[in-house]
Amino acid sequence: EAQVTQNPRYLITVTGKKLTVTCSQNMNHEYMSWYRQDPGLGLRQIYYSMNVEVTDKGDVPEGYKVSRKEKRNFPLILESPSPNQTSLYFCASSSVKVANTEAFFGQGTRLTVV
Amino acid sequence: AQSVTQLGSHVSVSEGALVLLRCNYSSSVPPYLFWYVQYPNQGLQLLLKYTSAATLVKGINGFEAEFKKSETSFHLTKPSAHMSDAAEYFCAVRKRGYNKLIFGAGTRLAVHP
Repeated sequence: EAQVTQNPRYLITVTGKKLTVTCSQNMNHEYMSWYRQDPGLGLRQIYYSMNVEVTDKGDVPEGYKVSRKEKRNFPLILESPSPNQTSLYFCASSSVKVANTEAFFGQGTRLTVV
Repeated sequence: AQSVTQLGSHVSVSEGALVLLRCNYSSSVPPYLFWYVQYPNQGLQLLLKYTSAATLVKGINGFEAEFKKSETSFHLTKPSAHMSDAAEYFCAVRKRGYNKLIFGAGTRLAVHP
């Protein structure tokens, strides 16, 4: 089954404690991205990756890091989380070879920073 | 810059009534257009997409959307709402030749008996 898997689904942490949210896809997609969802703002892109070792900032990258060492994995790293990073996070993947393709989304990670 | 506007952050309909969720985009060249649905505590699921093959697009669960270039719109409709349609709906666009999806703010649909 084609899927994007994120872990954990729920996470409560304290300010300043480094954390990583994992994302893995089994569709051999080149393009992967991270979004955060906040009420009234929809989904905003944090970082994206066009392929292995190729990453770039999205619209709201401050306070986040990513890496793409393998094609299937795209972890999101918060080195020093702050309360304004409390949000619902989604990982997504899509093919760059099909012009009209849609993105596939993970189940989401609800992060609370206290 | 490309943008997506969803008119109405909350829409409430009676079971069996018409569902109409509005989406307008800003782009001189028609982009690829998508509607996603998010059920509580779940990820985003594709409802339908416009790729220029036909202006009326049918999706899952009885939803459809019509692309109107003159109005830069891609409104989502369903003739008869079910309780199970209660969810948040997102319109998204992707500029041709690019991979980034740009989302609207979302519309939360409530269906009451």
